[in-house]
Amino acid sequence: AQSVTQLGSHVSVSEGALVLLRCNYSSSVPPYLFWYVQYPNQGLQLLLKYTSAATLVKGINGFEAEFKKSETSFHLTKPSAHMSDAAEYFCAVSPTGGGYQKVTFGTGTKLQVIP
Amino acid sequence: KAGVTQTPRYLIKTRGQQVTLSCSPISGHRSVSWYQQTPGQGLQFLFEYFSETQRNKGNFPGRFSGRQFSNSRSEMNVSTLELGDSALYLCASSSLHTGTGGVEQYFGPGTRLTVT
Repeated sequence: AQSVTQLGSHVSVSEGALVLLRCNYSSSVPPYLFWYVQYPNQGLQLLLKYTSAATLVKGINGFEAEFKKSETSFHLTKPSAHMSDAAEYFCAVSPTGGGYQKVTFGTGTKLQVIP
Repeated sequence: KAGVTQTPRYLIKTRGQQVTLSCSPISGHRSVSWYQQTPGQGLQFLFEYFSETQRNKGNFPGRFSGRQFSNSRSEMNVSTLELGDSALYLCASSSLHTGTGGVEQYFGPGTRLTVT
């Protein structure tokens, strides 16, 4: 069965600094991978997705993530943090290879941006 | 395309009552999943429906139930409400990549349920 691990339930960065949120997955075959962002009292918004095309994926709001099969990682980065990036971020994995398996979410990372 | 819609957005109920929440998926999506989100437990999977059939179920008591209609709209019901049921309930609409079996989920804004 697949699983997702997000390292760090809380991450703090200074405004203008690099944002790095970590996500590692386990899956027997390369899965689909997703990052979602959630602002308070809102639903999860799809930030970006990897669906077996380019390994470097660009998303909304200047975020990007790189699929690294050898490291089973899909870390989320943004070169320069903005105050509006403060939110909770979820990594998710959807298995591929046929047969039904549900999407699995990580436990989330709350990003704090310090002015 | 319109996104996932959930109604109502906010709800206040008292202990012992029951509640029904509604979710309309993205047009063409046949799968709907429900999640409960609380500060203490995080995002927890409730159940998933596909073509009117429950395909998967999380570890929740029988007070939590759901159904899906022929137009893919889904409802979830919670009976005999408890204080601990206060949460944000999220609905996700899924599209399936038929070649790979991979699934993409898109979320609605959620229903904030407060039980007093």
